[in-house]
Amino acid sequence: SQTIHQWPATLVQPVGSPLSLECTVEGTSNPNLYWYRQAAGRGLQLLFYSVGIGQISSEVPQNLSASRPQDRQFILSSKKLLLSDSGFYLCAWSEGGQTYEQYFGPGTRLTVT
Amino acid sequence: GENVEQHPSTLSVQEGDSAVIKCTYSDSASNYFPWYKQELGKRPQLIIDIRSNVGEKKDQRIAVTLNKTAKHFSLHITETQPEDSAVYFCAALENTGGFKTIFGAGTRLFVKA
Repeated sequence: SQTIHQWPATLVQPVGSPLSLECTVEGTSNPNLYWYRQAAGRGLQLLFYSVGIGQISSEVPQNLSASRPQDRQFILSSKKLLLSDSGFYLCAWSEGGQTYEQYFGPGTRLTVT
Repeated sequence: GENVEQHPSTLSVQEGDSAVIKCTYSDSASNYFPWYKQELGKRPQLIIDIRSNVGEKKDQRIAVTLNKTAKHFSLHITETQPEDSAVYFCAALENTGGFKTIFGAGTRLFVKA
């Protein structure tokens, strides 16, 4: 069966520091991968999605970037964090093709201080 | 692009009553509509979904209906229980080949015992 991992689970970082969040999926190949951000008490904002290695689509212009160095690895990065980057970051995957169901990872709770 | 609106933002029901959450979408080409349940501090979990070639789908106490003409879909929970208390998100898949899922803002459901 498929499993999705995210780490770290929680992170407290000062403003201006860099960020790297990692997501990996097991038990499938060539998944579609997604990064979402959820501000406290709010909905899910799609940040990036990827349909293959090196293929990244950005949905929101901001100081975040994403990379997919391997088939089942998706990384979210920032060179300099802002206070507004605080939130719950969720990675998700789907099989692609005519299978649309998306499944979320456990999330990383980021607090920028 | 797709836009999804969800109502109400908060819903409070008595245990055993039914709960209905409604969503509208803007893109008539959207063809997949999932519903997610998110408990406090946890990841969203897919609870039911419907495709555009189906008008209704049921899974035990949960049902979803879709009206393609009116571009709206609804989640129905019958015989609500306290453990149904959570935030529920509707979503629509943009039919652009990129598997972008657009989420509603969420409905916080309270089931009072």
